[in-house]
Amino acid sequence: KQEVTQIPAALSVPEGENLVLNCSFTDSAIYNLQWFRQDPGKGLTSLLLIQSSQREQTSGRLNASLDKSSGRSTLYIAASQPGDSATYLCAVNSGNTPLVFGKGTRLSVIA
Amino acid sequence: SAVISQKPSRDICQRGTSLTIQCQVDSQVTMMFWYRQQPGQSLTLIATANQGSEATYESGFVIDKFPISRPNLTFSTLTVSNMSPEDSSIYLCSVSGGAVGEQYFGPGTRLTVT
Repeated sequence: KQEVTQIPAALSVPEGENLVLNCSFTDSAIYNLQWFRQDPGKGLTSLLLIQSSQREQTSGRLNASLDKSSGRSTLYIAASQPGDSATYLCAVNSGNTPLVFGKGTRLSVIA
Repeated sequence: SAVISQKPSRDICQRGTSLTIQCQVDSQVTMMFWYRQQPGQSLTLIATANQGSEATYESGFVIDKFPISRPNLTFSTLTVSNMSPEDSSIYLCSVSGGAVGEQYFGPGTRLTVT
Protein backbone atom coordinates (compact mmCIF):
# COMPACT_ATOMS: atom_id res chain seq x y z
CA LYS A 1 0.00 0.00 0.00
CA GLN A 2 1.40 3.37 -1.05
CA GLU A 3 2.27 5.77 1.76
CA VAL A 4 3.32 9.39 1.32
CA THR A 5 5.27 11.31 3.94
CA GLN A 6 5.93 15.03 3.99
CA ILE A 7 8.60 16.77 6.01
CA PRO A 8 8.50 19.15 7.77
CA ALA A 9 4.91 19.21 9.01
CA ALA A 10 5.15 22.96 9.53
CA LEU A 11 7.61 25.64 8.50
CA SER A 12 7.88 29.33 9.27
CA VAL A 13 10.29 31.51 7.29
CA PRO A 14 10.92 35.23 6.81
CA GLU A 15 9.86 36.81 3.55
CA GLY A 16 12.40 36.49 0.75
CA GLU A 17 13.89 33.22 1.88
CA ASN A 18 14.25 30.26 -0.46
CA LEU A 19 12.81 27.04 0.94
CA VAL A 20 12.46 23.34 0.23
CA LEU A 21 9.56 21.05 1.06
CA ASN A 22 10.15 17.31 1.05
CA CYS A 23 7.96 14.40 0.01
CA SER A 24 8.72 10.69 0.06
CA PHE A 25 6.69 7.70 -1.08
CA THR A 26 7.07 4.01 -0.36
CA ASP A 27 6.21 2.45 -3.74
CA SER A 28 8.35 3.78 -6.57
CA ALA A 29 5.97 2.41 -9.25
CA ILE A 30 4.18 5.72 -9.64
CA TYR A 31 2.62 7.27 -12.71
CA ASN A 32 2.32 10.90 -11.63
CA LEU A 33 3.35 13.05 -8.70
CA GLN A 34 1.41 16.24 -8.06
CA TRP A 35 2.02 19.14 -5.73
CA PHE A 36 -1.01 21.07 -4.52
CA ARG A 37 -1.62 24.19 -2.51
CA GLN A 38 -4.52 24.46 -0.08
CA ASP A 39 -5.60 27.64 1.64
CA PRO A 40 -7.47 27.28 4.97
CA GLY A 41 -10.97 25.88 4.50
CA LYS A 42 -10.59 25.80 0.72
CA GLY A 43 -10.16 23.26 -2.06
CA LEU A 44 -6.91 22.24 -3.73
CA THR A 45 -5.02 24.12 -6.41
CA SER A 46 -2.71 22.03 -8.58
CA LEU A 47 0.76 23.58 -8.70
CA LEU A 48 2.90 21.12 -10.60
CA LEU A 49 2.59 17.64 -12.05
CA ILE A 50 5.64 15.47 -12.71
CA GLN A 51 5.22 12.37 -14.79
CA SER A 52 7.24 9.31 -13.80
CA SER A 53 9.55 9.76 -16.80
CA GLN A 54 10.37 13.36 -15.87
CA ARG A 55 12.94 14.70 -13.42
CA GLU A 56 11.53 18.15 -12.72
CA GLN A 57 8.92 20.76 -13.55
CA THR A 58 9.02 24.51 -13.10
CA SER A 59 6.33 27.15 -12.81
CA GLY A 60 7.36 30.67 -11.93
CA ARG A 61 9.09 30.63 -8.54
CA LEU A 62 8.25 26.95 -8.02
CA ASN A 63 10.43 24.02 -9.01
CA ALA A 64 9.56 20.42 -8.27
CA SER A 65 11.99 17.56 -8.70
CA LEU A 66 11.39 13.82 -8.75
CA ASP A 67 13.77 10.97 -7.96
CA LYS A 68 11.53 8.03 -8.63
CA SER A 69 14.05 5.33 -7.79
CA SER A 70 14.61 6.68 -4.30
CA GLY A 71 10.96 7.60 -3.79
CA ARG A 72 11.54 11.30 -3.22
CA SER A 73 10.34 14.65 -4.48
CA THR A 74 11.13 18.19 -3.43
CA LEU A 75 9.26 21.43 -3.99
CA TYR A 76 11.54 24.46 -4.10
CA ILE A 77 10.02 27.90 -3.57
CA ALA A 78 12.24 30.82 -4.45
CA ALA A 79 12.03 34.26 -2.86
CA SER A 80 9.08 33.38 -0.64
CA GLN A 81 6.26 35.88 -0.14
CA PRO A 82 3.52 36.17 2.52
CA GLY A 83 1.03 35.14 -0.16
CA ASP A 84 2.77 31.76 -0.33
CA SER A 85 1.47 30.94 3.15
CA ALA A 86 -0.69 27.84 2.79
CA THR A 87 -0.56 24.08 3.21
CA TYR A 88 1.35 22.26 0.49
CA LEU A 89 0.29 18.72 -0.32
CA CYS A 90 2.19 16.07 -2.23
CA ALA A 91 0.30 13.18 -3.87
CA VAL A 92 1.11 10.24 -6.13
CA ASN A 93 -0.83 7.76 -8.21
CA SER A 94 -0.21 4.60 -10.21
CA GLY A 95 -1.79 4.54 -13.65
CA ASN A 96 -5.41 5.66 -13.76
CA THR A 97 -5.87 5.42 -10.01
CA PRO A 98 -6.78 8.11 -7.51
CA LEU A 99 -4.09 10.10 -5.76
CA VAL A 100 -2.66 9.12 -2.40
CA PHE A 101 -1.83 12.17 -0.31
CA GLY A 102 0.72 13.09 2.29
CA LYS A 103 -0.34 15.01 5.38
CA GLY A 104 1.04 18.26 4.03
CA THR A 105 3.47 20.97 5.08
CA ARG A 106 1.93 24.07 6.61
CA LEU A 107 3.99 27.06 5.45
CA SER A 108 3.96 30.50 7.03
CA VAL A 109 5.93 33.29 5.38
CA ILE A 110 6.42 36.20 7.75
CA ALA A 111 6.59 39.73 6.35
CA SER B 1 -7.97 21.27 -17.46
CA ALA B 2 -11.36 20.61 -15.87
CA VAL B 3 -13.51 23.09 -13.98
CA ILE B 4 -15.43 21.53 -11.12
CA SER B 5 -18.21 23.06 -9.06
CA GLN B 6 -19.73 21.74 -5.86
CA LYS B 7 -22.96 22.51 -4.05
CA PRO B 8 -23.41 23.43 -1.30
CA SER B 9 -20.16 25.19 -0.47
CA ARG B 10 -20.87 24.76 3.22
CA ASP B 11 -23.64 23.60 5.51
CA ILE B 12 -24.40 23.14 9.18
CA CYS B 13 -26.54 20.08 9.83
CA GLN B 14 -28.18 18.40 12.78
CA ARG B 15 -27.08 15.03 14.04
CA GLY B 16 -29.06 12.17 12.45
CA THR B 17 -29.92 14.00 9.22
CA SER B 18 -28.49 13.48 5.73
CA LEU B 19 -26.86 15.86 3.26
CA THR B 20 -26.40 15.38 -0.47
CA ILE B 21 -23.42 17.08 -2.10
CA GLN B 22 -23.44 17.73 -5.82
CA CYS B 23 -20.43 17.78 -8.12
CA GLN B 24 -20.59 19.16 -11.67
CA VAL B 25 -17.73 19.02 -14.19
CA ASP B 26 -17.48 21.15 -17.34
CA SER B 27 -16.38 18.19 -19.50
CA GLN B 28 -17.12 14.48 -19.75
CA VAL B 29 -14.92 12.34 -17.53
CA THR B 30 -14.85 8.63 -16.93
CA MET B 31 -13.77 8.57 -13.31
CA MET B 32 -14.78 10.85 -10.47
CA PHE B 33 -13.44 10.59 -6.95
CA TRP B 34 -14.82 11.66 -3.60
CA TYR B 35 -12.43 12.58 -0.80
CA ARG B 36 -12.90 13.55 2.83
CA GLN B 37 -10.63 15.90 4.75
CA GLN B 38 -11.20 15.87 8.48
CA PRO B 39 -10.07 18.90 10.50
CA GLY B 40 -6.30 19.22 10.50
CA GLN B 41 -5.87 16.08 8.41
CA SER B 42 -4.96 15.27 4.84
CA LEU B 43 -7.29 13.90 2.19
CA THR B 44 -8.71 10.39 2.40
CA LEU B 45 -10.37 8.74 -0.57
CA ILE B 46 -13.97 7.71 0.09
CA ALA B 47 -14.86 6.12 -3.23
CA THR B 48 -14.39 6.10 -6.99
CA ALA B 49 -17.52 6.72 -9.04
CA ASN B 50 -17.70 5.40 -12.59
CA GLN B 51 -20.66 6.16 -14.83
CA GLY B 52 -22.92 3.19 -15.31
CA SER B 53 -21.56 1.07 -12.52
CA GLU B 54 -21.53 0.86 -8.73
CA ALA B 55 -19.09 3.06 -6.91
CA THR B 56 -16.00 1.42 -5.49
CA TYR B 57 -15.52 2.20 -1.80
CA GLU B 58 -12.28 2.33 0.12
CA SER B 59 -11.72 0.42 3.32
CA GLY B 60 -13.62 2.03 6.16
CA PHE B 61 -16.32 3.57 3.98
CA VAL B 62 -19.64 1.85 3.19
CA ILE B 63 -22.41 2.50 0.71
CA ASP B 64 -25.11 2.77 3.39
CA LYS B 65 -23.29 5.67 5.01
CA PHE B 66 -22.00 7.35 1.82
CA PRO B 67 -24.27 6.48 -1.12
CA ILE B 68 -23.02 7.84 -4.43
CA SER B 69 -24.82 8.43 -7.69
CA ARG B 70 -23.21 8.93 -11.11
CA PRO B 71 -26.05 9.42 -13.59
CA ASN B 72 -23.88 10.78 -16.43
CA LEU B 73 -20.30 11.68 -17.37
CA THR B 74 -20.41 15.22 -15.93
CA PHE B 75 -22.27 14.84 -12.65
CA SER B 76 -22.12 12.95 -9.36
CA THR B 77 -23.61 13.19 -5.89
CA LEU B 78 -22.36 12.03 -2.51
CA THR B 79 -24.79 11.67 0.37
CA VAL B 80 -23.59 11.70 3.95
CA SER B 81 -26.26 9.74 5.83
CA ASN B 82 -27.31 9.69 9.47
CA MET B 83 -24.69 12.27 10.29
CA SER B 84 -22.76 12.54 13.54
CA PRO B 85 -20.28 15.22 14.66
CA GLU B 86 -17.46 12.92 13.47
CA ASP B 87 -18.65 13.52 9.90
CA SER B 88 -17.69 17.19 10.16
CA SER B 89 -15.18 17.55 7.34
CA ILE B 90 -14.49 19.09 3.99
CA TYR B 91 -15.77 16.82 1.20
CA LEU B 92 -14.03 17.19 -2.15
CA CYS B 93 -14.92 15.97 -5.59
CA SER B 94 -12.09 15.24 -8.03
CA VAL B 95 -11.65 14.10 -11.62
CA SER B 96 -8.77 12.78 -13.62
CA GLY B 97 -8.30 14.09 -17.13
CA GLY B 98 -6.04 15.21 -19.90
CA ALA B 99 -3.31 13.36 -21.69
CA VAL B 100 -1.26 12.77 -18.57
CA GLY B 101 -4.04 12.06 -16.08
CA GLU B 102 -3.71 15.21 -14.01
CA GLN B 103 -6.18 15.26 -11.16
CA TYR B 104 -8.36 18.32 -10.54
CA PHE B 105 -10.38 19.20 -7.47
CA GLY B 106 -13.57 21.06 -6.77
CA PRO B 107 -13.72 23.84 -4.18
CA GLY B 108 -15.03 21.47 -1.52
CA THR B 109 -18.09 21.34 0.72
CA ARG B 110 -17.47 22.28 4.33
CA LEU B 111 -19.82 20.27 6.53
CA THR B 112 -20.36 20.90 10.22
CA VAL B 113 -22.57 18.50 12.18
CA THR B 114 -23.95 19.70 15.51
